[in-house]
Amino acid sequence: GAVVSQHPSRVICKSGTSVKIECRSLDFQATTMFWYRQFPKKSLMLMATSNEGSKATYEQGVEKDKFLINHASLTLSTLTVTSAHPEDSSFYICSANPRGGKNIQYFGAGTRLSVL
Amino acid sequence: GENVEQHPSTLSVQEGDSAVIKCTYSDSASNYFPWYKQELGKRPQLIIDIRSNVGEKKDQRIAVTLNKTAKHFSLHITETQPEDSAVYFCAASTNAGKSTFGDGTTLTVKP
Repeated sequence: GAVVSQHPSRVICKSGTSVKIECRSLDFQATTMFWYRQFPKKSLMLMATSNEGSKATYEQGVEKDKFLINHASLTLSTLTVTSAHPEDSSFYICSANPRGGKNIQYFGAGTRLSVL
Repeated sequence: GENVEQHPSTLSVQEGDSAVIKCTYSDSASNYFPWYKQELGKRPQLIIDIRSNVGEKKDQRIAVTLNKTAKHFSLHITETQPEDSAVYFCAASTNAGKSTFGDGTTLTVKP
């Protein structure tokens, strides 16, 4: 149980294009999902907290117009990197907090974004 | 906001030895402290967690201790094996659910 699916696992795109990443909780309902960015050999940096049916809460320094988050249902959250640039290349990971799960987070497998 | 410090950043042990990783946190409201293991290019995997109403928790070769007064918690791995080699992250979170992660410890277990 408690499986989080994240797609795509790897994406290569041209500078200026937009990329959408999906995060799905497969066997539980997630009232809250989190989006992280991880640089090589570094820790997970929280970008935003996504709550179903409401606007995402972004961490300081994260551009909300650059990283669009939609949490349309209790099992799906999407992150769209708009007008991607090479500096947006990174490993993006989502996690989901089950309803009633008392802070436990289950992570997706991550998306490796490379912007050319 | 919460600040989590993790030490050491790298740790190398001989197979069969024990490994200890320590974390400190700053927000006294934090009440949930998970530990994650992350292999290269993979997702973080929860290996053990502890809540603020408990001082110690053990699961086979892995144990976690929590000192709320001092605001620190530690991961203990006994009888280490080469497959324990990975990056380990501690985290602290409050009832709001948002977690703050430590910078990670790269553990290498030499056969």
